[in-house]
Amino acid sequence: DIQMTQSPSSLSASVGDRVTITCRASQGISNYLAWFQQKPGKAPKSLIYAASSLQSGVPSKFSGSGSGTDFTLTISSLQPEDFATYYCQQYNSYPWTFGQGTKVEIK
Amino acid sequence: QITLKESGPTLVKPTQTLTLTCTFSGFSLSTSGVGVGWIRQPPGKALEWLALIYWNDDKRYSPSLKSRLTITKDTSKNQVVLTMTNMDPVDTATYYCAHYDRDGRTRWGQGTLVTVSS
Repeated sequence: DIQMTQSPSSLSASVGDRVTITCRASQGISNYLAWFQQKPGKAPKSLIYAASSLQSGVPSKFSGSGSGTDFTLTISSLQPEDFATYYCQQYNSYPWTFGQGTKVEIK
Repeated sequence: QITLKESGPTLVKPTQTLTLTCTFSGFSLSTSGVGVGWIRQPPGKALEWLALIYWNDDKRYSPSLKSRLTITKDTSKNQVVLTMTNMDPVDTATYYCAHYDRDGRTRWGQGTLVTVSS
């Protein structure tokens, strides 16, 4: 199985901050990577697919980059509604696997 | 607009078989490249991918759970069914179904909480 490792596991940030979350795959996955946002008690919401493509309706403050084994999700200016847990997931090979999540909290 | 909704029992006893149904609208599971999968999330823990079925009936399973899982589709009813045998308290989780297109986009259902307890 491909292991997906996110860093950090949690972070504290202020409204207006630029935030970057990293996801590393244990082997190359080309650009077959997605990012999801999850708020407490809610289903995950899709943000990014194919490493850098924005899912429909997602604001442009979210951006993704990377290829191969190293990927990043960036939130350009953190807003109150962005405080949540973020997950990466590879879909290059089965079984598809998720990272352990990064919790973004208010400083 | 694509929507998915999970349904099934909220409580199952240990050793019983769980049957979950994903009922969807806004797409057809006979369209080339489309898939519907299941993901679960134990309380306070990370997401775990379980299984996936494609428009051509190709099926994929998590190796760690493969012996306990079966995924099927009923294209005429717009439903995908997941069965998991020999349920254990560690299988307590929110179970989600999701739609996948050929470009990698994902759309999620709202999820259903299943508790395993005697």
